[in-house]
Amino acid sequence: EDQVTQSPEALRLQEGESSSLNCSYTVSGLRGLFWYRQDPGKGPEFLFTLYSAGEEKEKERLKATLTKKESFLHITAPKPEDSATYLCAVQAYGNEKLTFGTGTRLTIIP
Amino acid sequence: DTAVSQTPKYLVTQMGNDKSIKCEQNLGHDTMYWYKQDSKKFLKIMFSYNNKELIINETVPNRFSPKSPDKAHLNLHINSLELGDSAVYFCASSLAKRETQYFGPGTRLLVL
Repeated sequence: EDQVTQSPEALRLQEGESSSLNCSYTVSGLRGLFWYRQDPGKGPEFLFTLYSAGEEKEKERLKATLTKKESFLHITAPKPEDSATYLCAVQAYGNEKLTFGTGTRLTIIP
Repeated sequence: DTAVSQTPKYLVTQMGNDKSIKCEQNLGHDTMYWYKQDSKKFLKIMFSYNNKELIINETVPNRFSPKSPDKAHLNLHINSLELGDSAVYFCASSLAKRETQYFGPGTRLLVL
């Protein structure tokens, strides 16, 4: 069965303090790894899809990377508006469903 | 322009009642999903429809019945509601099977 583990569970950073979120996964043939952002009381908002080891994608202060066992979401010089829960999910070949991790709750302190 | 919309946003009801949640997408996607997010924020797939055909049916009590009248709509009907059904239910859609999924704002269900 596909599994996704995210760490840390919660992370508090000062504004401008860079860090990384981890997503470890086991899947029977990875088709894609997805990162979403979820604000309180809202639905997950799509950020990135990574398909193969070594791939990287960037959006503003966020950069996602992928290896054969894990993905990192690097956040550079974060701002308070980056505070949210970040969710990681995997999709296996031949399967439509996403298997989610429990998320990392990120708080950026001004 | 709302891409994936759900109604109602909040639903408070008594145990034993029957209720429905509606989902509509205006993205032209042909695959739609229902997810349940529990109190620990864990998101789990329940159902998926592709072109009105059921393609995913996870281990969900048969009190839950999805219905897709057309490609743009996927509704969720829940019979005999139980306390444990309290959660946030999210609808999502994708351009095709296995493509990126886009989520709606969620329906917060509270069963008393």
